[in-house]
Amino acid sequence: AQKITQTQPGMFVQEKEAVTLDCTYDTSDQSYGLFWYKQPSSGEMIFLIYQGSYDEQNATEGRYSLNFQKARKSANLVISASQLGDSAMYFCAMREGNNQGGKLIFGQGTELSVKP
Amino acid sequence: NAGVTQTPKFRILKIGQSMTLQCTQDMNHNYMYWYRQDPGMGLKLIYYSVGAGITDKGEVPNGYNVSRSTTEDFPLRLELAAPSQTSVYFCASSRTGMNEKLFFGSGTQLSVL
Repeated sequence: AQKITQTQPGMFVQEKEAVTLDCTYDTSDQSYGLFWYKQPSSGEMIFLIYQGSYDEQNATEGRYSLNFQKARKSANLVISASQLGDSAMYFCAMREGNNQGGKLIFGQGTELSVKP
Repeated sequence: NAGVTQTPKFRILKIGQSMTLQCTQDMNHNYMYWYRQDPGMGLKLIYYSVGAGITDKGEVPNGYNVSRSTTEDFPLRLELAAPSQTSVYFCASSRTGMNEKLFFGSGTQLSVL
């Protein structure tokens, strides 16, 4: 069963506007972590933001924030004030408890294009 | 700081050949992972290790083998390469298995022709 779902294969956003990338997940564990990674055209994987399942506040890192809705099992990434350099693939991922070997399971990704 | 180092960066194999993708990390991380990424897709886990001497299968282990004799190194072996193994391979590591990000290597682009 797919555990991480990103339903937006591609998104467009105007420069300086905010954009939300959707992510839903499925797990029976109470303890888990949610991550977002950026992959530019150069191919490297760049960590953006992390949210723990027990964290009461939504995570923020600069222009990135994670809209965590635990009951809905969603972990959407919000990018404020988009820049041309934000054009990339974005992956949502989840790590379940230690008894799963700490495996990070990825979604299919969303390709974001920022228009000037 | 080297982090996670993968070699080679690019490789072309003929069908049936074998090769080893090297991965080493200098952060004393216990957890290490091998992923493959097909064009336009997410990363799929091949194998992982939670410490020296301990390895386990991920989502797509067929056609691959791993070993973990030291904390630093986690090589991935391809036996009898097939065109379906054409992909970009990423090695990653983390200190613990839970609330920490994975550090990724820069990837190996492999073509099997």
